[in-house]
Amino acid sequence: DTGVSQNPRHKITKRGQNVTFRCDPISEHNRLYWYRQTLGQGPEFLTYFQNEAQLEKSRLLSDRFSAERPKGSFSTLEIQRTEQGDSAMYLCASSLLAGEVDTQYFGPGTRLTVL
Amino acid sequence: AQSVTQLGSHVSVSEGALVLLRCNYSSSVPPYLFWYVQYPNQGLQLLLKYTTGATLVKGINGFEAEFKKSETSFHLTKPSAHMSDAAEYFCAVRGRGQNFVFGPGTRLSVLP
Repeated sequence: DTGVSQNPRHKITKRGQNVTFRCDPISEHNRLYWYRQTLGQGPEFLTYFQNEAQLEKSRLLSDRFSAERPKGSFSTLEIQRTEQGDSAMYLCASSLLAGEVDTQYFGPGTRLTVL
Repeated sequence: AQSVTQLGSHVSVSEGALVLLRCNYSSSVPPYLFWYVQYPNQGLQLLLKYTTGATLVKGINGFEAEFKKSETSFHLTKPSAHMSDAAEYFCAVRGRGQNFVFGPGTRLSVLP
């Protein structure tokens, strides 16, 4: 078990460009979450998947954001036409739903800087 | 709706002193409560969690927290601070069938 991994760890892009981040969850975890964290704040929920199904999306997730989890394994988060306000740390977490509550295990994050 | 407040965005303690990080929550359903720690440029690591049962929960690295329903609190404590405890600490609440809501975090500094 190598934990949740995210790539890239850092991404610098120019405003208007598209970016894509990848998250590899802990194997056999059926849930995968995406969060955004800005400086001095706690993580804010964006969306989550159970297996390959995207079950919930936050109002924070504008039309420029799209997430996928093909085959219920890794996930990608794409931001189109990036804006300076998109600069943040994007965190991925995975969990195994067994019982009432699942415990989320976080990856190291992808830090996005939009110039 | 759920929310979390963490009193004190920055707490400083001396090495060996008691650590107390405060967390208060609001939840319309019975809450599940969590404390996570984040070291610089790293993801969040689970310290401890309360789901049901015993209200005093012990976690890793000598931390513990007590769920007090009457006070809607879940404060994190450690009897003796170590330099390696310096980090950002986040309290989070989750109701059954609901998503995590994180507090704004408290940065802990440990002075030699």
